[in-house]
Amino acid sequence: AQRVTQPEKLLSVFKGAPVELKCNYSYSGSPELFWYVQYSRQRLQLLLRHISRESIKGFTADLNKGETSFHLKKPFAQEEDSAMYYCALINSGGYQKVTFGTGTKLQVIP
Amino acid sequence: GAVVSQHPSRVICKSGTSVKIECRSLDFQATTMFWYRQFPKKSLMLMATSNEGSKATYEQGVEKDKFLINHASLTLSTLTVTSAHPEDSSFYICSATPDSQGNQPQHFGDGTRLSIL
Repeated sequence: AQRVTQPEKLLSVFKGAPVELKCNYSYSGSPELFWYVQYSRQRLQLLLRHISRESIKGFTADLNKGETSFHLKKPFAQEEDSAMYYCALINSGGYQKVTFGTGTKLQVIP
Repeated sequence: GAVVSQHPSRVICKSGTSVKIECRSLDFQATTMFWYRQFPKKSLMLMATSNEGSKATYEQGVEKDKFLINHASLTLSTLTVTSAHPEDSSFYICSATPDSQGNQPQHFGDGTRLSIL
């Protein structure tokens, strides 16, 4: 069974400080991992996916298969980064079942 | 970007009534649509997957007779909560993707807050 774990429910950092939102997964196949973000009163939206290896809004995430992790990082937090972040895993094989983590609320303190 | 519209955003109704939630893809054809439920302090839980023109595939533990899903066209899927009870109160979110092979991400609606009195 696939599982996604986000150990922190709340992460508070000061503006300008580095941010790391942790995500660990368990999956027997080759996973595809995503980070979704939900800003206050807005819909859930895709932030980034590991296969595109891109940086969105200064955030990056590297898939570490050895540690089964996909931590989200940003070197300098900004107030507008305050939001709920969900790590998600999609199984391979064409059946796009998504498993979400429980989410981490990022609070950037001015 | 791809837009998914979900309606209504909030509904309050009496116990025993049926509630229909619509999910529309506005600028793309959604081959596959998904329905999620979010319990308080828990993650989004997939309820069912629907492909246009075929029966929905329900996740284990989800009552298919309770949560009726119809995906009659490539732009519309509906979730009907039949004979709703207070324990059905929750936040329901739909998502849609134009791709059935898992190569494109899902796009989410705004969600529906369902409150059963």
